[in-house]
Amino acid sequence: SQQGEEDPQALSIQEGENATMNCSYKTSINNLQWYRQNSGRGLVHLILIRSNEREKHSGRLRVTLDTSKKSSSLLITASRAADTASYFCATDGTGGFKTIFGAGTRLFVKA
Amino acid sequence: DAGVTQSPTHLIKTRGQHVTLRCSPISGHKSVSWYQQVLGQGPQFIFQYYEKEERGRGNFPDRFSARQFPNYSSELNVNALLLGDSALYLCASSSHGQAYEQYFGPGTRLTVT
Repeated sequence: SQQGEEDPQALSIQEGENATMNCSYKTSINNLQWYRQNSGRGLVHLILIRSNEREKHSGRLRVTLDTSKKSSSLLITASRAADTASYFCATDGTGGFKTIFGAGTRLFVKA
Repeated sequence: DAGVTQSPTHLIKTRGQHVTLRCSPISGHKSVSWYQQVLGQGPQFIFQYYEKEERGRGNFPDRFSARQFPNYSSELNVNALLLGDSALYLCASSSHGQAYEQYFGPGTRLTVT
């Protein structure tokens, strides 16, 4: 079973708008990561946030983590058509030797 | 530097057959993980190897096995293939393990007929 649950399942926006995706998980974590996947190809690592961090930025990406609510959000600002992809959150679970992915959010950015 | 490489790219097998998938990690990375991704779903964790030892195993039957070689490359073996094994198999490497960011290969698309 998958620990992470992304919301929404799909999101369609216009170029230039912001996109927000949410992830919830079930058990304690050491870190949470976000990945992007284009058209069923390999995943690309976007950002890692550790359990003692609350917010992290990388370019147009902003990730927040609320361990009390077991949730995280990924914000993509000023979206571009090239941002069209599936986005997954992944948690390390207990022991740190197993990475659990959610089902993903499919983002469509219309030019 | 080369990224994570996987071979073959595509594979078609018949039910009951055996398959071996290969992965070469990024140079200097000692950890390799394997994932199965069925169409429309997120990757499912199968195995993690670190320094040639199995460190983690997902909820997959014993038909799935893997190993890591002294040069840190890895093989995933699946016996007695079922139709449900059709998926994209992804390999990821990292420098130390799951607590660090993982770099994924392009995957092997396995179709079982």
